Amino acid sequence: ETGVTQTPRHLVMGMTNKKSLKCEQHLGHNAMYWYKQSAKKPLELMFVYSLEERVENNSVPSRFSPECPNSSHLFLHLHTLQPEDSALYLCASSQERSSNQPQHFGDGTRLSIL
Amino acid sequence: AQTVTQSQPEMSVQEAETVTLSCTYDTSESDYYLFWYKQPPSRQMILVIRQEAYKQQNATENRFSVNFQKAAKSFSLKISDSQLGDAAMYFCAYRSASNRKLTFGTGTRLQVTL
Repeated sequence: ETGVTQTPRHLVMGMTNKKSLKCEQHLGHNAMYWYKQSAKKPLELMFVYSLEERVENNSVPSRFSPECPNSSHLFLHLHTLQPEDSALYLCASSQERSSNQPQHFGDGTRLSIL
Repeated sequence: AQTVTQSQPEMSVQEAETVTLSCTYDTSESDYYLFWYKQPPSRQMILVIRQEAYKQQNATENRFSVNFQKAAKSFSLKISDSQLGDAAMYFCAYRSASNRKLTFGTGTRLQVTL
């Protein structure tokens, strides 16, 4: 299934760089999510957008800045990251009409901070 | 706060055999949903099966079935007739009926041997 597409697949950046992760969903969903997946830790929800409005921010450092210009696109802008930010960043989308609707995930961006 | 525990970091099963992956969760809510996701090396999280807490009947999807014990807060996944393509990380996840947040366990890595 290619309903949720993330680019780039891999990203290596220095701590002073600015980069952006992109997510696009082709499923007609109205909610999108950013998750961080680190080794041996549960997936951590970072941001939730519903109808293009940010509805949840789980105490994520300001060096991560999300943007949702429309219901199909979600960005994660990165600035002055730290080595502990190296992880797999997963985007997901869902249709918010009831809680039993599953989230559909992309393949993730593997981020390495030098 | 809800928590999800997967006590088996790794499991192994022979092809065509049956394996059960364990998951327990902690919640004070009565209305919620439970999910099993599979993450193969391709990294995409794929929904395997879901269960509504108000349903007593265990969910089944082809070779995948769950044993949902609401009183014990247990939600195990049984994979029958295991195939090489079943090798992946399996994540158990919880979602309250009242919000969008998915809470994940730490995952179980399943190996399938010939």
